[in-house]
Amino acid sequence: RKEVEQDPGPFNVPEGATVAFNCTYSNSASQSFFWYRQDCRKEPKLLMSVYSSGNEDGRFTAQLNRASQYISLLIRDSKLSDSATYLCVVNIYYQLIWGAGTKLIIKP
Amino acid sequence: DTGVSQDPRHKITKRGQNVTFRCDPISEHNRLYWYRQTLGQGPEFLTYFQNEAQLEKSRLLSDRFSAERPKGSFSTLEIQRTEQGDSAMYLCASSPPEDVHEQYFGPGTRLTVT
Repeated sequence: RKEVEQDPGPFNVPEGATVAFNCTYSNSASQSFFWYRQDCRKEPKLLMSVYSSGNEDGRFTAQLNRASQYISLLIRDSKLSDSATYLCVVNIYYQLIWGAGTKLIIKP
Repeated sequence: DTGVSQDPRHKITKRGQNVTFRCDPISEHNRLYWYRQTLGQGPEFLTYFQNEAQLEKSRLLSDRFSAERPKGSFSTLEIQRTEQGDSAMYLCASSPPEDVHEQYFGPGTRLTVT
């Protein structure tokens, strides 16, 4: 079993729709959690950190459920520019463990 | 541009040759990380430095791989006797002392071993 698992997608979503991704992690010692975004053939870039209380940044909302060991990302009013791969990342003792990513394609 | 830089951006080499990549982190960042990423996968941790000290190495890092950060600034990653399975994107990231969890990535070096 992978330490961080994500549905690889692709998720094909019409512009303006709401889309949600989930990610599960196996190590209960995980300390902090992040969503990164990666465009094709580019480096990953931090999208947002994920807190137990949930956090929102504009159209993006992240949630953490420690009991069930999953993390979610919700994108509202999706834009064409949201098309990318979204990587779920878990920090364990200062080492980042990465999921394989979920590919999102926003269609006009 | 004050971001993380990597050189070269692309490298094509023949199997058996040695290659060396360089990473220049953001200047005030004391932690530096190397990752490898293959198509359809997330980055895999290889090693990390705090200042000049190499604090952790993944078991993925075979004896053919070596990394250095001699003065606590730039870092090099060398692969000896390259194999076709080494073909990947090699990513470098750095993080500041006040937030070790947030890593800033360079553009990567894409290695192709023929």
